[in-house]
Parts: sequence; structure tokens; C-alpha cells
Amino acid sequence: EAQVTQNPRYLITVTGKKLTVTCSQNMNHEYMSWYRQDPGLGLRQIYYSMNVEVTDKGDVPEGYKVSRKEKRNFPLILESPSPNQTSLYFCASSIGLAGSTDTQYFGPGTRLTVL
Amino acid sequence: GEDVEQSLFLSVREGDSSVINCTYTDSSSTYLYWYKQEPGAGLQLLTYIFSNMDMKQDQRLTVLLNKKDKHLSLRIADTQTGDSAIYFCAETLHTGGFKTIFGAGTRLFVKA
Repeated sequence: EAQVTQNPRYLITVTGKKLTVTCSQNMNHEYMSWYRQDPGLGLRQIYYSMNVEVTDKGDVPEGYKVSRKEKRNFPLILESPSPNQTSLYFCASSIGLAGSTDTQYFGPGTRLTVL
Repeated sequence: GEDVEQSLFLSVREGDSSVINCTYTDSSSTYLYWYKQEPGAGLQLLTYIFSNMDMKQDQRLTVLLNKKDKHLSLRIADTQTGDSAIYFCAETLHTGGFKTIFGAGTRLFVKA
């Protein structure tokens, strides 16, 4: 089944403790992206990647890192999480560039709480 | 700057038409999208329109684009209770890279 998976789905952590949210897709998609969703703000793009070893900042990259060492995986790294990073995070992928008719497939979301 | 705005709530009766509106500020957008998010789920692409089109119809969905006013709308005909969800307007900008900007989402309530 074609899908985007994220782990963990729920995470409660403390300020400053490094964490990684994994994202994996099995559709051989080139384009992958991370978003955070906050009430009243919709989705804001954190980082995106157009191919292996190619990543670029979205609108709200501060406090986050990503890597794209292989096509299927696009982990989101929070080196030193802070409470303002408490949010619902979505990973998405598409065949080609997001500026096209290619559908972005979204993962189920990761709800992160930073105390 | 880049911004996409939507009203936050819309309430309609079952069987009526729903119209969800969106305005955007960046004229370099290439594609504009409507996504649907049901409770506890990710986003699902409903439809899209290329920026050189002014209308697109897909079964119960009609998308209208007024590029001069930077206004996008989604009309859902014969709205059903299963249409209750949050609807996001989004644009993709081709400005040295590819960024997708989402609106805050419009929560549609459908009353039986």
C-alpha cells in the first residue's frame, strides 16, 4: 500500500532533549516536505527536499534540521526542543516538484509536546 | 510577502451549496490547491487549479480563480454531512525553489 509513515505518532518530551521524528515513503517520490500545524495558523512549511542530498528551508526552519541521505527517508531533527515547538507535524511527499499537479501525500501526523 | 487568508468557520445546511473563499498575495503562484482535513487525519488533496485557468469543475466541486483580485473559491454543491472538515487553500510559489504556503483553514460545519 502506498503510504507515508511517521514515527512516533505522539511524543511528550522536555526542553533541550534532542529528538528525531522519522518520515518514510514507499512511492519512490523525489519531493518530500515537513510542515507544522498550529491552531489558527494552518500549515507552515519547515523544510523541503527536491531529491537526495538536496534540502531547502521553508517558512519556519528555525530550530529544525533535516537530512535526505536516501530517497525514501526524510527525518526531522530537533537538536534542542523548546515549548514553542509544541505542534502537530506532518510529513508529505510527491512524485515531482510541489509546483505541479502532483499530489502531495501526507503522513498521519506526529503530535509533539515539549514541556 | 507571501500570505494566504481564509475565513475560519462556515456553517451550512445539508443539501445547500457551500462556498469557501481564499485570498492570496503572491502573484508568482503557479498552482493553487484545495485540501480537506478530517478530524485526526492528514490532509487530502481535493482539487487544484493552474494559475492561468479561471474555473475548474470536478463533480460536486467547482473552483473559481480571479487572478486580478487574487481570490480563489471552492464551491461544494449539495453539501453532505460527510463534507464536514477543515478545508485548506494553498499556493505553490516558484521563486528560486518550491514553497507551499497554506491558509489557516476553514472549518465547515454541515447541519442535518
